[in-house]
Amino acid sequence: QSALTQPASVSGSPGQSITISCTGTSSDVGGYNLVSWYQQYSGKAPKLMIYDVSNRPSGVSNRFSGSKSGNTASLTISGLQAEDEADYYCTSATSSVTLVFGGGTKLTVL
Amino acid sequence: QITLKESGPTLVKPTQTLALTCTFSGFSVSTIGVGVGWIRQPPGAALEWLAVIYWNDVKRYSPSLKTRLTITKDTSKNRVVLIMTDMDPVDTATYYCAHTFYTPESYYWFDNWGQGTLVTVSS
Repeated sequence: QSALTQPASVSGSPGQSITISCTGTSSDVGGYNLVSWYQQYSGKAPKLMIYDVSNRPSGVSNRFSGSKSGNTASLTISGLQAEDEADYYCTSATSSVTLVFGGGTKLTVL
Repeated sequence: QITLKESGPTLVKPTQTLALTCTFSGFSVSTIGVGVGWIRQPPGAALEWLAVIYWNDVKRYSPSLKTRLTITKDTSKNRVVLIMTDMDPVDTATYYCAHTFYTPESYYWFDNWGQGTLVTVSS
């Protein structure tokens, strides 16, 4: 299985909205509503931000939202804040009943 | 409150076998739906899923590492162990364990993670 494709980096100014894409195939992203997103600060463990494409765990800001269209999932962060600067990873279940991660996206808040 | 902590050797030699233990509290791996997974991250690189084990002893492995991995659970001790054989310098990474929960409609997300443990493979 190949890693999901994410842009290496995205950036935005405080208050703006940004979207991170996560592209897979019909055997993973496109075939299942089992996409998750994680936020990771340098040297820290990842934190679950979105699961099942668009669900937010308790305690996660509603500035974070997820969606999917075809084989591409997206994470949108609205009202960008300095504290959002981190690495973001998407994952998806696959047709082999395994899990695949994306290559990660570094978000810079300008 | 759910907590997990990884433990094991920090340095292993090439060709050796690595055994990592995930000790957790706040849940039981015998509870229906509960699972524990392992994920690793080489320095400066992306996360990589390795394996998961569920309450009913169902196990899933990364296809690329399947022949080298074994995951087991000890319900009475609240532990999950990951064994990786034939270690190579490219296996140098921070290894994380994490809690997950399975339902037929929702699975393969990890909501609580350990702090991670760095394993270096070098002679």
